[in-house]
Amino acid sequence: EAAVTQSPRNKVAVTGGKVTLSCNQTNNHNNMYWYRQDTGHGLRLIHYSYGAGSTEKGDIPDGYKASRPSQENFSLILELATPSQTSVYFCASGDAGGAGDTQYFGPGTRLLVL
Amino acid sequence: GQQVQQSPASLVLQEGENAELQCNFSSTATRLQWFYQRPGGSLVSLLSNPSGTKHTGRLTSTTVTKERRGSLHISSSQITDSGTYLCAMEPGANTGKLTFGHGTILRVHP
Repeated sequence: EAAVTQSPRNKVAVTGGKVTLSCNQTNNHNNMYWYRQDTGHGLRLIHYSYGAGSTEKGDIPDGYKASRPSQENFSLILELATPSQTSVYFCASGDAGGAGDTQYFGPGTRLLVL
Repeated sequence: GQQVQQSPASLVLQEGENAELQCNFSSTATRLQWFYQRPGGSLVSLLSNPSGTKHTGRLTSTTVTKERRGSLHISSSQITDSGTYLCAMEPGANTGKLTFGHGTILRVHP
């Protein structure tokens, strides 16, 4: 079973502060993804990566940066956090292509921006 | 942008009844995926289906990409099936990018 871990699991931040959410996967997947989940919006893709050194914008990238320093690690960075970024953030990994491919999700990070 | 509509929004069943969850999407998809999410929990992949019908256990996924629809059938529901079922479409081949619906909340009572 794929293993994706996230840290921290819970975070309280102040408006204007910098927040870094970390994700680690141990399955050697090329692709990694960051989503946020909000009531009324479902899961939305923020950034994704096809491998170390690459980051791509998802559907809602504004206010977020991403970093993929290695195959295993993918970070989401909020340089200037705002209350509208209060949400649950999920990281996922997977390899696209093929009939059986899917994404494996981490446990989520609950972020509250005050 | 792409949209994924799921119906019903919520469903209540007696244990042992069957469930039929629907998913409609607004643009061409190469694959539909179904995920399960327990309240406050993470997502677990159930089925990934580019077209046709796939089975696993009590779950059957049917995808008709040219009609932009799919469904998930749960047979003989159990209390532990309670939770949210999310449909996600992959719009492009081998991109891995998913667009999710808002989910169907399923409650199974004894």
